Amino acid sequence: QVQLQESGPGLVKPSQTLSLTCTVSGGSISSGGHYWSWIRQHPGKGLEWIGYIYNSVTTYYNPSLKSRFTISVDTSKNQFSLKLSSVTAADTAVYYCARAYCSGGSCYSGYWGQGTLVTVSS
Amino acid sequence: QSVLTQPPSVSAAPGQKVTISCSGTNSNIGSYYVSWYQQLPGTAPKLLIYDNNKRPSGIPDRFSGSKSGTSATLGITGLQTGDEADYYCGAWDSSLSGLWVFGGGTKLTVL
Repeated sequence: QVQLQESGPGLVKPSQTLSLTCTVSGGSISSGGHYWSWIRQHPGKGLEWIGYIYNSVTTYYNPSLKSRFTISVDTSKNQFSLKLSSVTAADTAVYYCARAYCSGGSCYSGYWGQGTLVTVSS
Repeated sequence: QSVLTQPPSVSAAPGQKVTISCSGTNSNIGSYYVSWYQQLPGTAPKLLIYDNNKRPSGIPDRFSGSKSGTSATLGITGLQTGDEADYYCGAWDSSLSGLWVFGGGTKLTVL
């Protein structure tokens, strides 16, 4: 059974860079066909897709978000990561990592991490 | 403002049936498959339906999905108190250069 677990700081100061890591267990992050994704949820709001990485090197980000996000993979640790630069209070949210399938007109995720709350505050 | 439109809330009594709608456009629901998620308070979303009407292993057949044109519907029969949660629809959208979009969520109250 694939499991995902986010880790990272719960509190980040404005203008700093947020770094989150998602550790994958029960399956290899190098196996094909999966879109390793980050999704966030602002307090009391809906889901917002940030982006994904697939084939370990190809990334794609939500074009409606400003390009402050970077997703990368560390296959040796079976982890993928999210970096968000120049954070503001508007980036306060629960951040989820997920294993998605996005191909052939379909995009969905059956495997999610538990989520990690990130608060941006001085 | 979410790309896909859902009613903020629905309610029904235990044992009854409820439907949750998800409205979109030709650039999302009209052209791509829809998925549905259940989010219990304080937990991560859980996939209920993918590809419009398919249930992952372990999801009871009380949950069903359908799509017509640019709208989709999640149906839940035999409502249980444990079904009280937020429900989200999602789909790919070909706007801009393509993005994965979600509805704003619907709070289901089992009276």
